[in-house]
Amino acid sequence: DARVTQTPRHKVTEMGQEVTMRCQPILGHNTVFWYRQTMMQGLELLAYFRNRAPLDDSGMPKDRFSAEMPDATLATLKIQPSEPRDSAVYFCASRQTGSYNEQFFGPGTRLTVL
Amino acid sequence: AQTVTQSQPEMSVQEAETVTLSCTYDTSESNYYLFWYKQPPSRQMILVIRQEAYKQQNATENRFSVNFQKAAKSFSLKISDSQLGDTAMYFCAFMSYNQGGKLIFGQGTELSVKP
Repeated sequence: DARVTQTPRHKVTEMGQEVTMRCQPILGHNTVFWYRQTMMQGLELLAYFRNRAPLDDSGMPKDRFSAEMPDATLATLKIQPSEPRDSAVYFCASRQTGSYNEQFFGPGTRLTVL
Repeated sequence: AQTVTQSQPEMSVQEAETVTLSCTYDTSESNYYLFWYKQPPSRQMILVIRQEAYKQQNATENRFSVNFQKAAKSFSLKISDSQLGDTAMYFCAFMSYNQGGKLIFGQGTELSVKP
């Protein structure tokens, strides 16, 4: 049963600390997305990659956020330094390129910055 | 830029009855997909149904069907024979053919199915 995995599932940290969230896309999927969900903003796209290359990270605050794909089985989203306003649920999703192909979501990482 | 609007923040329905969730969108493109996702309390995002804009026929998946009105840019979800397990947030989403597969979501409708 192929699925997207994300670690950690929950993270509580102090303001100013570095946070790293990890995502393992479904094997064979070549496009990976990072979304953030908050009560105020809803679900918004932060960044996405195709074949490990960043295609669009315009939704991401560049001064503190960074997203990478070190290899085809791992995507990372880092926040340094973290702030209370970064508290949210962060979702990773993956899909295989093709107009009809479904985007599969991971279970999300709930981040709380105190 | 595309936008997706869900004007009903909350809705409720009695078990076994039918409910319709509304969604409108704005785009200048002619080729795109529309989706409804379900997010239960577990937070997992689950695809409910999808519609290709070039298809006139409305998509159906068991108890779920859509009313797609392309000219009006409207995409509503009808849930028939509502079940307690349908209680969740429902998100309408737009995907352009030409933007790498990224989804643009509406704000969501929280649906409660009451016994």
